Amino acid sequence: GAVVSQHPSWVICKSGTSVKIECRSLDFQATTMFWYRQFPKQSLMLMATSNEGSKATYEQGVEKDKFLINHASLTLSTLTVTSAHPEDSSFYICSATKAGISKNIQYFGAGTRLSVL
Amino acid sequence: DAKTTQPTSMDCAEGRAANLPCNHSTISGNEYVYWYRQIHSQGPQYIIHGLKNNETNEMASLIITEDRKSSTLILPHATLRDTAVYYCIVREGAQKLVFGQGTRLTINP
Repeated sequence: GAVVSQHPSWVICKSGTSVKIECRSLDFQATTMFWYRQFPKQSLMLMATSNEGSKATYEQGVEKDKFLINHASLTLSTLTVTSAHPEDSSFYICSATKAGISKNIQYFGAGTRLSVL
Repeated sequence: DAKTTQPTSMDCAEGRAANLPCNHSTISGNEYVYWYRQIHSQGPQYIIHGLKNNETNEMASLIITEDRKSSTLILPHATLRDTAVYYCIVREGAQKLVFGQGTRLTINP
């Protein structure tokens, strides 16, 4: 199997606070993890790519100081939205790849819906 | 930018085969064709991928034309649970996945 778990599935926070989202690969070691964002009625947009133990690579236009990514182990990556504002409200989704023959297949979590009031 | 073109929406009757087309006329020799789907308010789900040969797994079949400029995803016996947005993506190796708008497939009872 290749199960990716995200937590929480839904979070509501006040403007100015920080929110941490966890992404775990439950039954495999993730060589690489990815973070996406999806606004209503739009497609997924890649935010950043991270490998265990190294700094994340952010896509153009994504503020690395606002969206902090930590990938401390082969099974866990976290995305922290710092000083969240209403425009950060979105659906955040992580994915992971595993070593081996299916190394280029990304397995996705169920997503985290963030609402900033 | 997405390198594929898909119809915006399609309908299919439950129990029938759903055939979802995808055009990728600029595909290069090392690029694979991947299909993912996203059921409402969930993360995308990997379906199948291929390079040039037709592929089949427990979920679907992928038919790639000989010139590789287009492909068709086939869900052989569609169920209501197959209602989703289907994304056709071409990429080489571990390049990032670029999601287009996909095809919104509705399975009707």
